[in-house]
Parts: sequence; structure tokens; C-alpha cells
Amino acid sequence: NAGVTQTPKFRVLKTGQSMTLLCAQDMNHEYMYWYRQDPGMGLRLIHYSVGEGTTAKGEVPDGYNVSRLKKQNFLLGLESAAPSQTSVYFCASSLEWRALETQYFGPGTRLLVL
Amino acid sequence: DAKTTQPPSMDCAEGRAANLPCNHSTISGNEYVYWYRQIHSQGPQYIIHGLKNNETNEMASLIITEDRKSSTLILPHATLRDTAVYYCIVFPRGGGGADGLTFGKGTHLIIQP
Repeated sequence: NAGVTQTPKFRVLKTGQSMTLLCAQDMNHEYMYWYRQDPGMGLRLIHYSVGEGTTAKGEVPDGYNVSRLKKQNFLLGLESAAPSQTSVYFCASSLEWRALETQYFGPGTRLLVL
Repeated sequence: DAKTTQPPSMDCAEGRAANLPCNHSTISGNEYVYWYRQIHSQGPQYIIHGLKNNETNEMASLIITEDRKSSTLILPHATLRDTAVYYCIVFPRGGGGADGLTFGKGTHLIIQP
């Protein structure tokens, strides 16, 4: 049982490049989330999904897109990276909607946009 | 702005109890107190939560004051692996819409050998 895994662990992009971050969970959770964490700040919700085939915007969705074609995977895409998207990205999944005690986080992806 | 206030850092000797305070004077009636920790370069890890009663699990104990305006996380026998940043969060369990988790700056707990 690996929990929540994220790939890649670290990536450097040039402004304007695109990339996809992959999140996978093996706990059969319905709910999945993408957050970003910036120095000295909390976790800001980018997008979330309440089930396979559904996605919704969080509080900071601009510049990102997501897809959840399979229940266990949640992809975060950056179509045209900007330096403001330099951050640590965390994926999470939960058994119940926003019941934090059931929410598990992945190890994070560090993204540097030059 | 974070809804909680925590000391920026604390030291504790290995094997002793670590007591981490948190003030949340504006907590609403439907908001729970959650504690997370984040070990360097890892994702946040849930520790414990409570509404108004004291709680205990295999990791820690949570003491919430009667007026719910503050709480204390207790790690009964701290080990070096407990060195991390600890975040106190108030959050409406099962609610909160699509807002993020306002962690604030947390307390950097350093366990000394």
C-alpha cells in the first residue's frame, strides 16, 4: 500500500513550457485534491475532484488544468508555465469530503520556473 | 490571515513530553481543531483532531480549553523523528467549500538528543 505518490519529485521549466504532474493513490478514495505551498504560506487549493470524470476549481485555479480519467489518478497540467508557478505542489486524497483526518498527502513535487 | 497563533519555534529534550500551544480565539462553533505536522521536504501528515473534548490517539493527545479558544498538542515521549513543523488548523469538518487549508506558519519543534 503506497498511499499517495507523485511524479516527478522535482522539475525545472522555462517560462512558457508545459508539463503534467501525476498523482496516484491506491486507497480507493473518491476525493482528490491538488494544492500548492509557497514559503511561509499554507496550502492553497488549486483544483479538486469528487469522483472519476469530475473536476472543479479551487481557490487558485488560473494557469492550471486537471483531469481524472481514472479513479486512482489525478493529473495537474501547466499549459504555459510562469515564474509565479514556482512552488511545491502536493496532491492529496480523502475517503470523505474535506474530512481532514481521512486526507493523505503525497510527498510533493518541487517546481522551479525560470 | 491565519485563524490560529502558534509560537514560531520550540525545543524539547528527547524522551520528554512536548507541549505545543495554539490560540484560536475566533473559532466558530462548527470548526474542529486539527493538528498536522510536516517533516522537512515531505507532505503534511495528520496527527489528531477534536471539537471540544480532549482526544488521544497513538501519536498524541489534544487538550482543548473549555471555551475552545486555545488548545495544546502533547507528544508524550518525543523522539528525534518528531522534529518537524507542527500546524494547528481550525476547519469545519466535511465543509469548508473549496477553500485551501490555512496552515499559518506553525511551530518548528526541534527535539534535542
